[in-house]
Amino acid sequence: ETGVTQTPRHLVMGMTNKKSLKCEQHLGHNAMYWYKQSAKKPLELMFVYNFKEQTENNSVPSRFSPECPNSSHLFLHLHTLQPEDSALYLCASSEDWTSGTYEQFFGPGTRLTVL
Amino acid sequence: GENVEQHPSTLSVQEGDSAVIKCTYSDSASNYFPWYKQELGKGPQLIIDIRSNVGEKKDQRIAVTLNKTAKHFSLHITETQPEDSAVYFCAAFGPYDKVIFGPGTSLSVIP
Repeated sequence: ETGVTQTPRHLVMGMTNKKSLKCEQHLGHNAMYWYKQSAKKPLELMFVYNFKEQTENNSVPSRFSPECPNSSHLFLHLHTLQPEDSALYLCASSEDWTSGTYEQFFGPGTRLTVL
Repeated sequence: GENVEQHPSTLSVQEGDSAVIKCTYSDSASNYFPWYKQELGKGPQLIIDIRSNVGEKKDQRIAVTLNKTAKHFSLHITETQPEDSAVYFCAAFGPYDKVIFGPGTSLSVIP
C-alpha cells in the first residue's frame, strides 16, 4: 500500500449505530487530519493530530470522536449521528503541522450515509 | 468570519484553450495557498502551491499567481486536455492553525 488509505470506502448507518472510520498513511508523516466534504460546501477541517497529539478540534460535535494511536493510524468513531452528517470524510497527512511544511496528501475518502 | 471565495463555480473550455480560476481570501495573515484537483471518486490531490513571499510559480502547464495586496490568487492552466476535467479547490492556510478551502470549480475540457 502506498500513500493514504481509508476504510471502508462506503458506509451506511442508522442514527443509533456506532461505527468507526479508519485511515492509514504510508508516507512517514507525523501529522494527520480529518476533513468533512459535504455537497455544495467547502471542505471543512475537523481534527488535527500532530505527533499523535490532538492540536485542533474545530467545534466538531461530540458524536464524532477521533483517535490517533500512532503517527500512521487515525480513526474517527461515530455514534448517534444525524442525517445531516452524511458526507465524504477525508483523511490527510503531512510531514507535520507546525514546521510550515503544509503539503497535505489526501486519502480517497469514506462516503458516509446516515439514515 | 474568515472565508475564501472562488470563481467561477463551473467552467467549460475547448481542448487546447487556457483556463483561469480565481480565489479571494479575507485574512491578510494567511501565508500558504495550495490548489487541489479532485477527480470523481478520489481525494483531492495537490497540483501546485505558493507561499506568501512569492508572487508567481509555474510547473509545466500550470501556474499560480498571488497578489497579497488585493488578497487574491489565481490558477492558470494552459493547453488544456480532457484529463484536466475535474473539480479544483483553492485554500488559504494560516495564520497558525487556520485552514479555509474555497467552494470549488468544476472544470470541463471539451475535446
